[in-house]
Amino acid sequence: SQQGEEDPQALSIQEGENATMNCSYKTSINNLQWYRQNSGRGLVHLILIRSNEREKHSGRLRVTLDTSKKSSSLLITASRAADTASYFCAPITSYNTDKLIFGTGTRLQVFP
Amino acid sequence: SAVISQKPSRDICQRGTSLTIQCQVDSQVTMMFWYRQQPGQSLTLIATANQGSEATYESGFVIDKFPISRPNLTFSTLTVSNMSPEDSSIYLCSGYGERGAGEQFFGPGTRLTVL
Repeated sequence: SQQGEEDPQALSIQEGENATMNCSYKTSINNLQWYRQNSGRGLVHLILIRSNEREKHSGRLRVTLDTSKKSSSLLITASRAADTASYFCAPITSYNTDKLIFGTGTRLQVFP
Repeated sequence: SAVISQKPSRDICQRGTSLTIQCQVDSQVTMMFWYRQQPGQSLTLIATANQGSEATYESGFVIDKFPISRPNLTFSTLTVSNMSPEDSSIYLCSGYGERGAGEQFFGPGTRLTVL
């Protein structure tokens, strides 16, 4: 699989605001996954979007995928202090569906 | 879904010693992986743990330094050998239930400090 590049590297917002983070990748994908990591802990899978999908929702999360631009975005609505974490995208290619290669992630800080 | 546990959760070790980290999954997984996360950095894949055979290492990682075992579909160990302070990291294991199908489950990590 290939590495996704998240942007911005860091994001600070107030509780209740929306947080948007972006992911870019280089080659065609089967699907793209988003993960969250609370400080120093294991990663938690948030959502998977397939290459033939354009948008997917899960609770307060909305993920979009634009395969023509090779990019994805993760929107967290009505953010909470508990959303403070690092967020990583992981594009999965057709020639290697097993390995996750992580970029540097987006560090989100939500202030109460 | 799968729940993954790791032992120990943290350890402080002396330079030159070795530490074995255990990873236990509560259900069978087809693939298991080991990652390293150095302070303030992202996760770097160390190797794929193959059941009953030698692990597949990523570039920059070798078996002599990071021997890995996977005797069955629910258990794996990673040994960090001849440690130096540069090995101070969080080590995480992960697993797939269904190959290529989607989400990977992660253990909580082992925080290693080498003095």
